[in-house]
Amino acid sequence: GAVVSQHPSRVICKSGTSVKIECRSLDFQATTMFWYRQFPKQSLMLMATSNEGSKATYEQGVEKDKFLINHASLTLSTLTVTSAHPEDSSFYICSARDLLSWDEQFFGPGTRLTVL
Amino acid sequence: SQQGEEDPQALSIQEGENATMNCSYKTSINNLQWYRQNSGRGLVHLILIRSNEREKHSGRLRVTLDTSKKSSSLLITASRAADTASYFCATVRAAGNKLTFGGGTRVLVKP
Repeated sequence: GAVVSQHPSRVICKSGTSVKIECRSLDFQATTMFWYRQFPKQSLMLMATSNEGSKATYEQGVEKDKFLINHASLTLSTLTVTSAHPEDSSFYICSARDLLSWDEQFFGPGTRLTVL
Repeated sequence: SQQGEEDPQALSIQEGENATMNCSYKTSINNLQWYRQNSGRGLVHLILIRSNEREKHSGRLRVTLDTSKKSSSLLITASRAADTASYFCATVRAAGNKLTFGGGTRVLVKP
């Protein structure tokens, strides 16, 4: 089956620093990737939709200048949390949609971000 | 914003029993999907049911969809301890391509 990887799986950083999270589709091409945030014991909230070669579409209430998304190729999207603060600590999950399979999204294993 | 509401929020059962959880949503949909998430891990896609389907089976899973009531149910039969996880429904709107998740049901299967 389709595999999506995320790196790193866990990161701890100091307040004020920036953190980059990578999302890769390993065995398929993904024109669209999605970034979600999940707080403890809560559901996934969509942050933004990342389209290869174009600007990301952000959900209402998500600061585009704080959460920078780059989707430079059909297999890689990156999320950079800029000037991270403790309230940004969360579980960040990406998903990718196969170019050939419109309905199904394949999820990465997630990245646990802790901002001290 | 969350489209779906799930109930119950938590469910505790004995191994071998069936587990049923429900999902309600607000807008017209193209399809509804169920996912499982083990603690601190990513999501695993379980089953997709389209708006013109009423019931679907996959192994020990049975999903129903009632578009008139805007609701879906997931039944896990003969549960196992390994089924312990959080289960989420997610909808794709009729004119959209985004998944909108429900609040989830935490299922604990006791051996």
